[in-house]
Amino acid sequence: AQSVTQPDIHITVSEGASLELRCNYSYGATPYLFWYVQSPGQGLQLLLKYFSGDTLVQGIKGFEAEFKRSQSSFNLRKPSVHWSDAAEYFCAVLPADYKLSFGAGTTVTVRA
Amino acid sequence: DADVTQTPRNRITKTGKRIMLECSQTKGHDRMYWYRQDPGLGLRLIYYSFDVKDINKGEISDGYSVSRQAQAKFSLSLESAIPNQTALYFCATSDHQGYGYTFGSGTRLTVV
Repeated sequence: AQSVTQPDIHITVSEGASLELRCNYSYGATPYLFWYVQSPGQGLQLLLKYFSGDTLVQGIKGFEAEFKRSQSSFNLRKPSVHWSDAAEYFCAVLPADYKLSFGAGTTVTVRA
Repeated sequence: DADVTQTPRNRITKTGKRIMLECSQTKGHDRMYWYRQDPGLGLRLIYYSFDVKDINKGEISDGYSVSRQAQAKFSLSLESAIPNQTALYFCATSDHQGYGYTFGSGTRLTVV
């Protein structure tokens, strides 16, 4: 079955520390890949996207993501988190049917 | 003005009531979508429309109906609201290729 998996429901990280959020997908062909962020009480904001080409993608707010075809993964990273990065993060895939499908989300808590 | 506008932003309604959530867009996109967000489940597709005469069920359409009144307008109705339809609802649009999704700010619906 086609799916998007975010294995970590909740991650707590210290301010200034690095962050990595995992995303795995299961689709017949490599879909287009996205990461969105939702701050508390807010809507969705696109952080970055991967369609093709360089497998390391730079996004907004200092985030980057790496596509690994062999692992069907698209993990999100940030070298040094800020308190304002506390939010819920969603991995999403756009398969050939053009219907965007989301993972369950990972909530990030930043401690001082 | 926002590219994708959802009304109302918040709504509390009683069980058994009919309620309509509205979405309008200025992106000029043909494709429109309704998603529902629940904690721990991410966003799930309720209905989608690829043009004015096209309506399709998503993965969780039971209890919902939609109307595509014009290219720019896509409404979601709950014919007889029930408490487990309490959720955050998002409208989205995309271009013809499906790559550029734009989300509204969401409607928080509470059914009591």
